[in-house]
Amino acid sequence: AQTVTQSQPEMSVQEAETVTLSCTYDTSENNYYLFWYKQPPSRQMILVIRQEAYKQQNATENRFSVNFQKAAKSFSLKISDSQLGDTAMYFCAFIDTNAGKSTFGDGTTLTVKP
Amino acid sequence: ETGVTQTPRHLVMGMTNKKSLKCEQHLGHNAMYWYKQSAKKPLELMFVYNFKEQTENNSVPSRFSPECPNSSHLFLHLHTLQPEDSALYLCASSQEVLGLEIEETQYFGPGTRLLVL
Repeated sequence: AQTVTQSQPEMSVQEAETVTLSCTYDTSENNYYLFWYKQPPSRQMILVIRQEAYKQQNATENRFSVNFQKAAKSFSLKISDSQLGDTAMYFCAFIDTNAGKSTFGDGTTLTVKP
Repeated sequence: ETGVTQTPRHLVMGMTNKKSLKCEQHLGHNAMYWYKQSAKKPLELMFVYNFKEQTENNSVPSRFSPECPNSSHLFLHLHTLQPEDSALYLCASSQEVLGLEIEETQYFGPGTRLLVL
């Protein structure tokens, strides 16, 4: 069974600074996808970034980037130049391609302070 | 606009009521999902449909009954729910469940906030 662990229930960062959210996972599979989703107070789940396990290059989307360490089963999210609109709960998610099953972490509540 | 819509957005029901949640995706996807999100808890996957066939039932009580008449629509029929079933119910879709080369990103709807009295 796959597990996803987000060890930081809550984090805060000053506006314009950089913050890193951690995520580790456990799987015996070799083919899978990893995602970070953002859930603002509106509760709408929004895709932030995704990483294919077979790609060594870390994914980047504007101010969001990941540090994917496959051997260590680590998938952290770095938010640069934090903005007030980044305040949300962030979920790390793992999708087992073969089984078609998704597993989400417990989430990290990020607060960006002005 | 994510291309996934859910109705109603809010629902209050008694324990003896029967209601249905509706999800529709306009993305041409073949896989659809139901998730439950309780307060301050992680997402719980409930059901997965791939090409209208149910491929996953995560030990969900029978008072929740899913229906997938076609790849664009997904329903969750509710009957004799309990107060602890109050939660945000999220629908999502993706291109397809299986296949390494297929887009696996799930796109979520806005959710239905359910309160069971």
